[in-house]
Amino acid sequence: AQSVAQPEDQVNVAEGNPLTVKCTYSVSGNPYLFWYVQYPNRGLQFLLKYITGDNLVKGSYGFEAEFNKSQTSFHLKKPSALVSDSALYFCAALSNDYKLSFGAGTTVTVRA
Amino acid sequence: DGGITQSPKYLFRKEGQNVTLSCEQNLNHDAMYWYRQDPGQGLRLIYYSQIVNDFQKGDIAEGYSVSREKKESFPLTVTSAQKNPTAFYLCASSMGQLPGTDTQYFGPGTRLTVL
Repeated sequence: AQSVAQPEDQVNVAEGNPLTVKCTYSVSGNPYLFWYVQYPNRGLQFLLKYITGDNLVKGSYGFEAEFNKSQTSFHLKKPSALVSDSALYFCAALSNDYKLSFGAGTTVTVRA
Repeated sequence: DGGITQSPKYLFRKEGQNVTLSCEQNLNHDAMYWYRQDPGQGLRLIYYSQIVNDFQKGDIAEGYSVSREKKESFPLTVTSAQKNPTAFYLCASSMGQLPGTDTQYFGPGTRLTVL
């Protein structure tokens, strides 16, 4: 069985500061990892994914994520956060039977 | 939200009623999915379909039913057997290729409230 954990329910940062949203995973076999963002009362928007190759994955809206196999982590990062980045962020892992397992989500608040 | 539409956006149901949530996609995707979202619990998979006329139960299928008669459509029925149906329901689709390349794209969601 695979699982995804997001250890922080909330992350608060000031605009212009670096933003990090943490994710750890437990999967059998090769990990296929995703980040999604959700704005209030909206569906999830795909940000980026890791399949193989470079450990640093670049995605939409200036976000990137760093895959660390030894620490089984896939943290989402943005060098300079914007107020508009305030949203709910989900980490997910894909299994061989097409199922996505989601973390519980992290609410990001960026203050002006 | 791309080429996936869900209707209605808000739905109110009386106890004991069945209701059907619509999901349509024009992305020519083979695979479609239904998730339920509750506060603080992330998303949980209800049903998924990898091809027309075939579908599989997810982790919380009890009290729900689906059909996949057309590639573009994957309606979800919330039956009266579902004990706690109030939630935000999200539909997704993907190309259905090998895992690892198969990104799921989500619709805007339907918020169901039982009165």
